[in-house]
Amino acid sequence: EVQLLDSGGGLVQPGGSLRLSCAASGFTFSSYAMSWVRQAPGKGLEWVSAVSGSGGSTYYADSVKGRFTISRDKSKNTLYLQMNSLRVEDTAVYYCAKDRWGGVGVNFDYWGQGTLVTVSA
Amino acid sequence: QSVLTQPPSVSAAPGQKVTISCSGSSSNIGNNFVSWYQQLPGTAPKLLIYENNKRPSGIPDRFSGSKSGTSATLDITGLQTGDEADYYCGTWDGSLSAGGVFGGGTKLTVL
Repeated sequence: EVQLLDSGGGLVQPGGSLRLSCAASGFTFSSYAMSWVRQAPGKGLEWVSAVSGSGGSTYYADSVKGRFTISRDKSKNTLYLQMNSLRVEDTAVYYCAKDRWGGVGVNFDYWGQGTLVTVSA
Repeated sequence: QSVLTQPPSVSAAPGQKVTISCSGSSSNIGNNFVSWYQQLPGTAPKLLIYENNKRPSGIPDRFSGSKSGTSATLDITGLQTGDEADYYCGTWDGSLSAGGVFGGGTKLTVL
C-alpha cells in the first residue's frame, strides 16, 4: 500500500526557515517524480515544486524560486522541502504528492495528509 | 489569479449531471495532459481523472473527462450527495517558468 507521511510543519517567524519531510513507502521511490503542493487557508491548490524520479531535474513556482529547495533521498525514501526566508504568504498546508510517472508533470495519484506551516510574528 | 480558469461554483440536484470547465492556453492545456482532483472538506485531494480522460482504479465511471484545444471538462453524472466537494483541474505549463498549474477550484453543491 502506497503511503506518504508529511511532517515538519509548525510556527515560524517571517524570515525563518523550516524543512518539510515526506516519508514514502509501498512503491519504488526512485521511479517516480514527486511534488509539493500547498493550500493557503480557505484557498485553492498551488503547485510549489517538483523533482524527477532520478532527482536530476527540479522545478519551482516563481513565488518560491530562490527560497525553497526540493530534494529526495533514495536511501531513506524521503522527499524534502527546505524553506528559507519564509513570508507570511507562505502560510499553508503543504502536501507531498506522487506522480504516476518518473518525469515531472501533474498526475498525482497519491497525496500525503499535509503538514501546516504558519508564518507569523 | 490562477493560470487555469474554472467556475467558482456549480450546483445540480441528485441524479442529475454537472459539467465543470477548465480553460487554459497553448502553453499548458493545449500541449499537456489534464488531470482532475476531488477534495472533500478537511482532506487531501484525490485523483479522479488523469491524461485527460483516464480513471484510476476505484473511480466510478460516473466521472469522465475530456479535452479540446486549450480547454478541458469534467462531467459527473448520477450526482450523489457525497459528491459535494471542491474540484480542481491541473496540468503542466511549459512556458518560460515551467511548472505545474491548477485551476482555482470549483465548489460543487448537490441540492
